[in-house]
Amino acid sequence: DVQLVESGGGSVQPGGSLRLSCVASGFTFNTYWMHWVRQAPGKGLVWVSRIHRDGSTTDYADSVKGRFTISRDNAKNTLFLQMNSLTADDTAVYYCARGGLSGSTNSNWFDSWGQGTLLTVSS
Amino acid sequence: DIVMTQSPDSLTVSLGERATINCKSSQTVLYSSNNRNYLSWYQQKPGQPPKMLIYWASTRYSGVPDRFSGSGSGTDFTLTISSLQAEDVAVYYCQQYYNTPPTFGQGTKVEI
Repeated sequence: DVQLVESGGGSVQPGGSLRLSCVASGFTFNTYWMHWVRQAPGKGLVWVSRIHRDGSTTDYADSVKGRFTISRDNAKNTLFLQMNSLTADDTAVYYCARGGLSGSTNSNWFDSWGQGTLLTVSS
Repeated sequence: DIVMTQSPDSLTVSLGERATINCKSSQTVLYSSNNRNYLSWYQQKPGQPPKMLIYWASTRYSGVPDRFSGSGSGTDFTLTISSLQAEDVAVYYCQQYYNTPPTFGQGTKVEI
């Protein structure tokens, strides 16, 4: 079974930084696009970032561009999200999600999700 | 960015009755080269992560009960729950994966 387990969330002050991790198992990690999707308390789902299977391509939502960096370590089946210059608007549950197979046209669907990790940005 | 708009925002349905959720995209999500609609539906129960229900607008994901069905093409789509069960209480989201950034509808809350 596909498993995605996020960690690294917590409480941070505005302007601070945090790194999220997502450990994957149950599938061949290095063949899939991987994504981060967030959900502010009581709100809907918002895509944050994605990364190609080999890390060669990354994309970001405008709201996080220049502040967040997505990366992956295929040897450790782990996805990361480095978040800098955090603001209250970044407060959310952050989900790691599996996209489509690299080379497919469905790279941007989300067929498996982790349980999420909560980031709270507050002074 | 493609804007996804769902209607209604919420609906109350009796057990065993049909629930219908609509989703409209601001531009087509039908890819002409393969005639596929790049549209998926997700279910999110309280306190849980979302789960994929439908992809390619009408294909049920593995393990999804057949009371869930998706239809539509181009810019207008529908998720139908043919006979609502208690465990179907959730928020439902449509999402386009036609291009980047992928975008979600605002969600529709289904209650009994």
